[in-house]
Amino acid sequence: GQNIDQPTEMTATEGAIVQINCTYQTSGFNGLFWYQQHAGEAPTFLSYNVLDGLEEKGRFSSFLSRSKGYSYLLLKELQMKDSASYLCAVMDSNYQLIWGAGTKLIIKP
Amino acid sequence: DGGITQSPKYLFRKEGQNVTLSCEQNLNHDAMYWYRQDPGQGLRLIYYSQIVNDFQKGDIAEGYSVSREKKESFPLTVTSAQKNPTAFYLCASSRVGEIPHNEQFFGPGTRLTVL
Repeated sequence: GQNIDQPTEMTATEGAIVQINCTYQTSGFNGLFWYQQHAGEAPTFLSYNVLDGLEEKGRFSSFLSRSKGYSYLLLKELQMKDSASYLCAVMDSNYQLIWGAGTKLIIKP
Repeated sequence: DGGITQSPKYLFRKEGQNVTLSCEQNLNHDAMYWYRQDPGQGLRLIYYSQIVNDFQKGDIAEGYSVSREKKESFPLTVTSAQKNPTAFYLCASSRVGEIPHNEQFFGPGTRLTVL
């Protein structure tokens, strides 16, 4: 079967750095997406990785290792507005997105 | 402004009633999707459509129906056959063919509560 694993919840301090991990087992691989979702709102796109390595975009970076079936989202200089759920999704061989359950990130002052 | 709209934001229905959730997009996207989101679970695909007048079942299509008569619109009907319809429903759209980066754009969602 297809499976995406992420931690259920993480807590971090304002101004710090946090890394949210995602491991996956899917039928084929056509890229990995990270989305941010504030409570009760729509997910919004953060990043896309299809090749191994690190993609940096401002305070957010995403890393992929295809051989390990592993990705992480790195958030730097945390702000209170970063409190949200972070969803990992993998595009399988049929170009369908398989979604993880999401990681709820709590930022404390 | 381009985007996806879903209405209403909150919807209440009595058990046994069918209900239709609307989804409209003006992004000129060919593909549209319906997901269901339950607490502690990932988004689960109900139906998707990559072209007008054609749609495919997702992982949890039982008890749901859709239509795609126009490119801009992809309404979802939750029928009385759906055992646990109370959930947060998200509609999304994307381009087709710009593989591999066909990012999905989401509407604001409809929270359906069946009493």
